[in-house]
Amino acid sequence: QLQLQESGPGLVKPSETLSLTCTVSGGSTSSSSYYWGWIRQPPGKGLEWIGSIYYSGSTYYNPSLKSRVSISVDTSKNQFSLRVNSVTAADTAVYYCGRTLSSRWPPGIFDPWGQGTLVTVSS
Amino acid sequence: EIVLTQSPGTLSLSPGERATLSCRASQTVSNSYLAWYKQRPGQAPRLLIYGASSRATGIPDRFSGSGSGTDFTFTISRLEPEDFAVYYCQQYGTSPYTFGQGTKLEIK
Repeated sequence: QLQLQESGPGLVKPSETLSLTCTVSGGSTSSSSYYWGWIRQPPGKGLEWIGSIYYSGSTYYNPSLKSRVSISVDTSKNQFSLRVNSVTAADTAVYYCGRTLSSRWPPGIFDPWGQGTLVTVSS
Repeated sequence: EIVLTQSPGTLSLSPGERATLSCRASQTVSNSYLAWYKQRPGQAPRLLIYGASSRATGIPDRFSGSGSGTDFTFTISRLEPEDFAVYYCQQYGTSPYTFGQGTKLEIK
């Protein structure tokens, strides 16, 4: 059974870089059958797609975040990662990683998701 | 960007009743690439419906979806206690892939 686990600092200072890693078990990030991605949810609010990546390294980003976001994949460690630069309080959210339903579909529908990790931006 | 508007914001029903949720898009959703997720407090969302009407793996047939173009509906035929949660629609046909604001299904 596929499982995804987010990890990284829970507190980041304003203007610094948020870095998270998603570790995949029960599946492989080198599979050509899926994309992998990140979604976030500010406390008490709705969901926002951040971006997705294919095993080859091809990336797809939300234009609203594209200038500050980078997603990478390390197939040797079966992990993929998220970096968000120049964070502000508006970046405070639960960050989820997920695998897409299939590479036959656009890279924005996720099943399953990780449990999520809260990242707070504060000095 | 496609804006998804869900209604109602909150739906109060009793177990055993039928729930009908709506999702309206600001533009046509390409190929009916419309999904529905369920989120319980403190948990990650779980995919229920994709392609507007296809059930994800392991989802009971009391959950169904329909619609095309800009108007989509999600139905739970007979509510179970575990169905009370927040439901989100999402379009994944046009980047950026966007979510509705959610409908909270609460026990009456």
